[in-house]
Amino acid sequence: EAGVAQSPRYKIIEKRQSVAFWCNPISGHATLYWYQQILGQGPKLLIQFQNNGVVDDSQLPKDRFSAERLKGVDSTLKIQPAKLEDSAVYLCASRPDRVSYNEQFFGPGTRLTVL
Amino acid sequence: EDKVVQSPLSLVVHEGDTVTLNCSYEVTNFRSLLWYKQEKKAPTFLFMLTSSGIEKKSGRLSSILDKKELFSILNITATQTGDSAVYLCAVEILSGAGSYQLTFGKGTKLSVIP
Repeated sequence: EAGVAQSPRYKIIEKRQSVAFWCNPISGHATLYWYQQILGQGPKLLIQFQNNGVVDDSQLPKDRFSAERLKGVDSTLKIQPAKLEDSAVYLCASRPDRVSYNEQFFGPGTRLTVL
Repeated sequence: EDKVVQSPLSLVVHEGDTVTLNCSYEVTNFRSLLWYKQEKKAPTFLFMLTSSGIEKKSGRLSSILDKKELFSILNITATQTGDSAVYLCAVEILSGAGSYQLTFGKGTKLSVIP
């Protein structure tokens, strides 16, 4: 079974530029999560999708961050404009559904450096 | 506010040592506690604990949950250099949005030296 795919793996941008990350979850997984992991911290949830609908985006800084999962499969997370404090690893995770006792499966992450 | 605290934050041991990693939590609407291992890539799942006092084992790793005292421990016996990683504890809660979500601790960085 293929795992969660993310791209790019690394990205370096200047502050005020825009950046987008892509995630393809495990086939058949209805629930998808985006996390931000700052160096030395645990992952922090940004947004949760169920199929193509947003379940919870209460921790997403909506003035600069946006995310979509239009066809209920892959997802993109965008930052526009980026700030220095956005430097982090952005992890995508998926699980079969949001009710069953299943662990979340994580992708390898995108390491973003904002200069 | 939901809180997950791991200790120690970092640990250096010699190969063959036994280590105990701690995770305490204060959350509302607890459902389960999970341990993940994170090397320089994706966190990989180790254990999910839902009931108190039932030890879960996988090779040299084991974990147990105490829902009364609100903590869990992860034990690693006969450590190897391949055990060097950050170990993340996460508590699954039912959020205000009606969905199950993970709240993570900061992790324990384990370094095993030959």
